[in-house]
Amino acid sequence: QQQVKQSPQSLIVQKGGISIINCAYENTAFDYFPWYQQFPGKGPALLIAIRPDVSEKKEGRFTISFNKSAKQFSLHIMDSQPGDSATYFCAARPGSARQLTFGSGTQLTVLP
Amino acid sequence: DGGITQSPKYLFRKEGQNVTLSCEQNLNHDAMYWYRQDPGQGLRLIYYSQIVNDFQKGDIAEGYSVSREKKESFPLTVTSAQKNPTAFYLCAIAGVPSYNEQFFGPGTRLTVL
Repeated sequence: QQQVKQSPQSLIVQKGGISIINCAYENTAFDYFPWYQQFPGKGPALLIAIRPDVSEKKEGRFTISFNKSAKQFSLHIMDSQPGDSATYFCAARPGSARQLTFGSGTQLTVLP
Repeated sequence: DGGITQSPKYLFRKEGQNVTLSCEQNLNHDAMYWYRQDPGQGLRLIYYSQIVNDFQKGDIAEGYSVSREKKESFPLTVTSAQKNPTAFYLCAIAGVPSYNEQFFGPGTRLTVL
């Protein structure tokens, strides 16, 4: 059972544009929502994370927006750069658990 | 990456053979995880371990086995019972206090010939 639905599967953006990736979840027990970035042939690395007590978190060009009532959260990449081209995964974890549930991933390509 | 090593980077296996993937960490983290990554399917949890000599099945444990005899090591065996083992395998670790951030190793790409 897929508990975190991620879209789109792939995304192409021009340099300088805004990349937006969306995730939706069903389990209301989730209380931690990280985003991971993965380059080809490498392991994923934590990019940014949010808890449901805030609606937005920004780190540099990366922003998470969180809508608790809609059970949705999204990653916004401002001023997208070719170096941002990677696969992005959203994830979620309930407070009592020690494992993450991952979305299916979004392959982002930023054109120069 | 960092204090997590996975070996080998590439592994080729003939059908019917068992193979063992290595995962070692020197960060003294309690929890260790194995994931399988296939194109378009994200990361799926195979097994995880929170303490030595204890581990739990994840979502796709069939055809795999693990051991946790030492805190720093969590090897994964892909058995001949795994029908479609060709994939990218990732090991991750997490630690106190919140276990929130999982640190991933560089991965092992397994190909069945």
